[in-house]
Amino acid sequence: DTEVTQTPKHLVMGMTNKKSLKCEQHMGHRAMYWYKQKAKKPPELMFVYSYEKLSINESVPSRFSPECPNSSLLNLHLHALQPEDSALYLCASSRGGRGQETQYFGPGTRLLVL
Amino acid sequence: TQLLEQSPQFLSIQEGENLTVYCNSSSVFSSLQWYRQEPGEGPVLLVTVVTGGEVKKLKRLTFQFGDARKDSSLHITAAQPGDTGLYLCAGGNTDKLIFGTGTRLQVFP
Repeated sequence: DTEVTQTPKHLVMGMTNKKSLKCEQHMGHRAMYWYKQKAKKPPELMFVYSYEKLSINESVPSRFSPECPNSSLLNLHLHALQPEDSALYLCASSRGGRGQETQYFGPGTRLLVL
Repeated sequence: TQLLEQSPQFLSIQEGENLTVYCNSSSVFSSLQWYRQEPGEGPVLLVTVVTGGEVKKLKRLTFQFGDARKDSSLHITAAQPGDTGLYLCAGGNTDKLIFGTGTRLQVFP
């Protein structure tokens, strides 16, 4: 089983809203990732959690706040987003906690900020 | 800064044709992954290669990792409309994956 699940599938929010994206994996993987992908571009790394600790923050604005409640769950809290934050947000996981390993992606959350 | 350049950027072919996509870098990677992504969906892993010179086959897809682990290729034999999508290579370095620029493939019936 190499499944990563993400909810919701689609999200529309205003610039003053607070919302959260959720990601879950039950493969026993120890690293989890958030990526942002704009249309026709490759994914851009945002955050990496390794063994439930934040190990990489790619200079992401503070309106994005990640959280890793346990080894299977990863959240991304959104607050006061801008229209340019509209994108496909992807979650991924890898087995041993090192970012260079094979990563398995979820189906993504398509976010539209109005 | 490590970069992975993919070529071609776009490819539009007829069903039954063969094609090759290239993924090149000046950096050495510990592993290289190939993914296929459809619009609005997450990338789906096709293969991981880790040894220089390694060749892996997945039905009509053949993947090769360069001897120096700086480049890779994906060859598709007898392409089908179901092969349509965005193909991404991704190289593993010390703490993250570096994604290639992507190749958008369209296969017409």
